[in-house]
Amino acid sequence: GDSVTQMEGPVTLSEEAFLTINCTYTATGYPSLFWYVQYPGEGLQLLLKATKADDKGSNKGFEATYRKETTSFHLEKGSVQVSDSAVYFCALSDLTSGGSNYKLTFGKGTLLTVNP
Amino acid sequence: GAGVSQSPSNKVTEKGKDVELRCDPISGHTALYWYRQSLGQGLEFLIYFQGNSAPDKSGLPSDRFSAERTGGSVSTLTIQRTQQEDSAVYLCASSSSPRGRGLETQYFGPGTRLLVL
Repeated sequence: GDSVTQMEGPVTLSEEAFLTINCTYTATGYPSLFWYVQYPGEGLQLLLKATKADDKGSNKGFEATYRKETTSFHLEKGSVQVSDSAVYFCALSDLTSGGSNYKLTFGKGTLLTVNP
Repeated sequence: GAGVSQSPSNKVTEKGKDVELRCDPISGHTALYWYRQSLGQGLEFLIYFQGNSAPDKSGLPSDRFSAERTGGSVSTLTIQRTQQEDSAVYLCASSSSPRGRGLETQYFGPGTRLLVL
């Protein structure tokens, strides 16, 4: 079945440091890939997505490129801020032929703490 | 409403009692999903609705769990005879009717935190 593996962390960085959170996946169909973020005390929010190979998703300075050859979707940000402290989830949605269910399969989540 | 809402936000119950969790999706969204977030298992899919039908219930962990959706809108997740292992955050998400591939984004509610004593 489908699965997502991501760096579990926790990850602790200083403000303005470079961030990478690794994510790899296994899927039987043609998945779309997502990064969701959960800020303290809040619900899940979509951060960025990519729907096909070589697409780059970007938002709020974060980027991730859909790499089919390495089945990866690593999250990067050049300069993190204290406000980026949150839990980050990599996820995939695999719509197989004839299906209509876009259910998400999530990684375990990575806790990021950014210190001033 | 502007977003997905869920109620109650917190629920404490005793083992063996039944609980009902409610989800109000974004107006006009035909697809609705329930997920469970727990420390041991991470985020798990429970059930998917398209309109009032549930074509995929594969994630429901036992027959104590059931869900329904009425009027293509509000959904209720019911857990009967709750057990301590049911303690988790139950998340609801909605999206517009799927067309094409990977074009639909799920919007999540804030969740209901369930604690079974």
